[in-house]
Amino acid sequence: EDKVVQSPLSLVVHEGDTVTLNCSYEVTNFRSLLWYKQEKKAPTFLFMLTSSGIEKKSGRLSSILDKKELFSILNITATQTGDSAVYLCAVENNNDMRFGAGTRLTVKP
Amino acid sequence: SAVISQKPSRDICQRGTSLTIQCQVDSQVTMMFWYRQQPGQSLTLIATANQGSEATYESGFVIDKFPISRPNLTFSTLTVSNMSPEDSSIYLCSVVLVSRTDTQYFGPGTRLTVL
Repeated sequence: EDKVVQSPLSLVVHEGDTVTLNCSYEVTNFRSLLWYKQEKKAPTFLFMLTSSGIEKKSGRLSSILDKKELFSILNITATQTGDSAVYLCAVENNNDMRFGAGTRLTVKP
Repeated sequence: SAVISQKPSRDICQRGTSLTIQCQVDSQVTMMFWYRQQPGQSLTLIATANQGSEATYESGFVIDKFPISRPNLTFSTLTVSNMSPEDSSIYLCSVVLVSRTDTQYFGPGTRLTVL
């Protein structure tokens, strides 16, 4: 059965720390892996990854996909309190889209 | 966590027709939402499904196009009416559980292609 597992489920850090969020998956007919940031209502899109080994970067956030080992990581450097949110990983295949349970990140001043 | 099922999982439809998507949850939920994920775009909230009353629609979405029902706490339907190819998308149901109000859980989605 297709599944997406995120770890850790929650994480508390202090401003300035670097964090790494993990997403592993078992999905048939993989098409893409997406990362989202959810604060209040609709999740905000961060990255879409389709190829292994190519890092996507946006400011202090970066992400990379390993299609051989079936996982992705999301890195956030120099964290700020505004980074506090639930980070969702989703994997899309030919049929549907599976979300992980999310990692709740809390950044303390 | 919760088991969320959506039916159908995928469909291909002709323009001008309508499709109703069902979402069933195995746990008590406080809130249910409908989203769509169009190719190359961000996940977009369509509406909040309210039990026993009209759904609350986000800007750009109207009841005539996306009628929603939620007859009880664990079931909701979204209808995509008078479809056009621009409605081709993955439609996702999402819930917040009574037992865990700080997390939103997503269903597997319904992949809709409109010809």
